[in-house]
Amino acid sequence: AQSVTQLGSHVSVSEGALVLLRCNYSSSVPPYLFWYVQYPNQGLQLLLKYTSAATLVKGINGFEAEFKKSETSFHLTKPSAHMSDAAEYFCAVSDLPNDYKLSFGAGTTVTVRA
Amino acid sequence: DGGITQSPKYLFRKEGQNVTLSCEQNLNHDAMYWYRQDPGQGLRLIYYSQIVNDFQKGDIAEGYSVSREKKESFPLTVTSAQKNPTAFYLCASSRQGSGELFFGEGSRLTVL
Repeated sequence: AQSVTQLGSHVSVSEGALVLLRCNYSSSVPPYLFWYVQYPNQGLQLLLKYTSAATLVKGINGFEAEFKKSETSFHLTKPSAHMSDAAEYFCAVSDLPNDYKLSFGAGTTVTVRA
Repeated sequence: DGGITQSPKYLFRKEGQNVTLSCEQNLNHDAMYWYRQDPGQGLRLIYYSQIVNDFQKGDIAEGYSVSREKKESFPLTVTSAQKNPTAFYLCASSRQGSGELFFGEGSRLTVL
């Protein structure tokens, strides 16, 4: 079964600094990978997704992620953090099109220091 | 506007009581899901449904029940058999084969 591991449950960055959130996947087939963001007491919103096209995926709010098969990774980055980026971020994997279900990582909480 | 509506947003119950969480979507999505979220554990799948009148157990279905009588609706009942029901519950939907989930704003259940 597919799974993802998010390294680091909390990340603290200064405003304007690089945001780097790490995600490694385990999948027996070429995976579909997703990053979601959750603001306090709200549902999740899709940031970006990888579906076997370009390995560098651009998402909303200036985020991007790079699929590296050799490292089984799908790390999320943003060059310059903004206060509004403070949230919890989840990596998820699916074996689509064979499986509707997503398996989520434990999440990484990002705090942004002024 | 299209979206997913969950209600109630906050719910308190006494031990031994069943409660039902509502989830309605007007996105015309075929698939619907219920996830449970606990701090530090990410999201865990309770039940999912790909078509009306059909649903499957997820990873943590014990103590929960669902129905899918209409495409738009996928209510979740937390029964008294659920040993640790206090959690944040999220409903989601997706188009067939998409993998992109659209989430509601969640329901926070607290057992007193």
